[in-house]
Amino acid sequence: GAGVSQTPSNKVTEKGKYVELRCDPISGHTALYWYRQSLGQGPEFLIYFQGTGAADDSGLPNDRFFAVRPEGSVSTLKIQRTERGDSAVYLCASSPPGADTQYFGPGTRLTVL
Amino acid sequence: AQSVAQPEDQVNVAEGNPLTVKCTYSVSGNPYLFWYVQYPNRGLQFLLKYITGDNLVKGSYGFEAEFNKSQTSFHLKKPSALVSDSALYFCAVRDTGSARQLTFGSGTQLTVLP
Repeated sequence: GAGVSQTPSNKVTEKGKYVELRCDPISGHTALYWYRQSLGQGPEFLIYFQGTGAADDSGLPNDRFFAVRPEGSVSTLKIQRTERGDSAVYLCASSPPGADTQYFGPGTRLTVL
Repeated sequence: AQSVAQPEDQVNVAEGNPLTVKCTYSVSGNPYLFWYVQYPNRGLQFLLKYITGDNLVKGSYGFEAEFNKSQTSFHLKKPSALVSDSALYFCAVRDTGSARQLTFGSGTQLTVLP
């Protein structure tokens, strides 16, 4: 079956611009996670959704970052006033109900010039 | 707070030899432990997990891992390495409490030499 998909695969933007990154989880998966992976590091947690609500947003670095999941499926990570330090690969993962394993998408590589 | 340490940035092994990629963890409660593999320009692929039960866990592609509670370790192993196993490996942990997010180690680059 189809895995987690993320679009775009690459995004280049200028400092100060607004960007949206999209995640389409595996069908039927109720939990959705966003992580950020900087070069040479492991992924770092940003936010977790259970259904439509953000169950844990403790990993968002500041108020420029925001994520939504209005219908409990597709999620969008939104970054305002981008900074060069936001450059990273943004990973999305999903899990089926009651399960612990997270299945990751291929990521979106964000480059802020 | 939970944390993971992967003490080796790089592991080299000859094809056909056994391989071990090390991982130690710290959590306040009981751990759920995971191994993921990442190939270039691709996302993380799940290999195996330990939740409870038998300390030796078997996963995809012939990999296995041993949970050692006293040493707080969860080392990844394979009896006979393949060149195609060359990739970046991540260990991850979460607490069995309410927090669902994974905490990852910094990764170990495995190179299997032909």
